[in-house]
Amino acid sequence: AQSVTQLGSHVSVSEGALVLLRCNYSSSVPPYLFWYVQYPNQGLQLLLKYTSAATLVKGINGFEAEFKKSETSFHLTKPSAHMSDAAEYFCAVSDVNTNAGKSTFGDGTTLTVKP
Amino acid sequence: EPEVTQTPSHQVTQMGQEVILRCVPISNHLYFYWYRQILGQKVEFLVSFYNNEISEKSEIFDDQFSVERPDGSNFTLKIRSTKLEDSAMYFCASRRHYGYTFGSGTRLTVV
Repeated sequence: AQSVTQLGSHVSVSEGALVLLRCNYSSSVPPYLFWYVQYPNQGLQLLLKYTSAATLVKGINGFEAEFKKSETSFHLTKPSAHMSDAAEYFCAVSDVNTNAGKSTFGDGTTLTVKP
Repeated sequence: EPEVTQTPSHQVTQMGQEVILRCVPISNHLYFYWYRQILGQKVEFLVSFYNNEISEKSEIFDDQFSVERPDGSNFTLKIRSTKLEDSAMYFCASRRHYGYTFGSGTRLTVV
């Protein structure tokens, strides 16, 4: 069984400030973890993924995430927020070692960036 | 960059009608999925498909739903008799190894 908890359904930061979106996971097997961004009325865009290689993963648009097994966390960060970062962010865990390999998503975090 | 293509982007249907949502996964991918997202909610797994059969399905995926990969390129989701609560964004996804690629979704509105 796998699950994801995203702490904070809404996060608001000022432009230029640090972005921190929290994700904790539960998985009975070594997890593969993903962050997606969704802009209004659009699809899911992959920001980055952890697949058991380096624990610090760099993604697109300046985002990165660190896998911490001891804390079962995979928090998403960006040093300096841009207005264009305002969107919904989803953390997901997947067991891609099975033929199902389904992804389980968190509830999402809405990021607001204030000018 | 290869894309997963979904058609149509929007579909409005009357309650009780059958709908077919279409997806063209990335050509060398092996695993195929349907997810749905009810407005304002999280993305939920519906079904996974591998080696021409369903490998896992959620409790949402009841007898009203079916999937098919009829010709080696398309991957379809059929809802036999739509209900109001089927209104959602439906995402198709495919993968070869670790990374999922999602389509841009079909917004289904049941009236």
